Amino acid sequence: KAGVTQTPRYLIKTRGQQVTLSCSPISGHRSVSWYQQTPGQGLQFLFEYFSETQRNKGNFPGRFSGRQFSNSRSEMNVSTLELGDSALYLCASSLPQGKAYEQYFGPGTRLTVT
Amino acid sequence: AQSVTQLGSHVSVSEGALVLLRCNYSSSVPPYLFWYVQYPNQGLQLLLKYTTGATLVKGINGFEAEFKKSETSFHLTKPSAHMSDAAEYFCAVKGTSYDKVIFGPGTSLSVIP
Repeated sequence: KAGVTQTPRYLIKTRGQQVTLSCSPISGHRSVSWYQQTPGQGLQFLFEYFSETQRNKGNFPGRFSGRQFSNSRSEMNVSTLELGDSALYLCASSLPQGKAYEQYFGPGTRLTVT
Repeated sequence: AQSVTQLGSHVSVSEGALVLLRCNYSSSVPPYLFWYVQYPNQGLQLLLKYTTGATLVKGINGFEAEFKKSETSFHLTKPSAHMSDAAEYFCAVKGTSYDKVIFGPGTSLSVIP
């Protein structure tokens, strides 16, 4: 089975621009979660989507948004980019069946805001 | 609410020595606990998980962890470190099926030849 894929892998944007990141989960997985990883803040949860509905949301400003499509692929969007948005954005998918919520992570998208 | 602390942001061990990475959690409900590893420029990979049942959990690459409810701990161990174990390790907790996963700050493991 193919793993979680994220595109693009690297991105450079300018302050004030907006960006869209894409995540394709493992085939059959219906839940997709997004995380922001920075050296200072570590791994921070952004949001989780299941069957096209946002199920959980982290403490990020409204500039961060996401969506999930009927094929479970997900996108996240960041509008009006700030320097502090520079980070590795990780996507993780899971089934999720039962209570053992095992997540499978993609390689991430490295976003640099200049 | 759940939270995770990892004692020691950086741990160094000699090749062949015991690896011990500490994780303590807080949870208002019986937790699900996970250890993930992240190699440079890669995503996270699940090492092992505890849901219910046996408190000693064995994972991949020779790692294991023991759930100790009385100590609210889930420390990760490996009897003999290999150079390839050098990576960032994250402990994570989840309260219920519908809670988000909370990650600890991570511990960077260095293995000295």
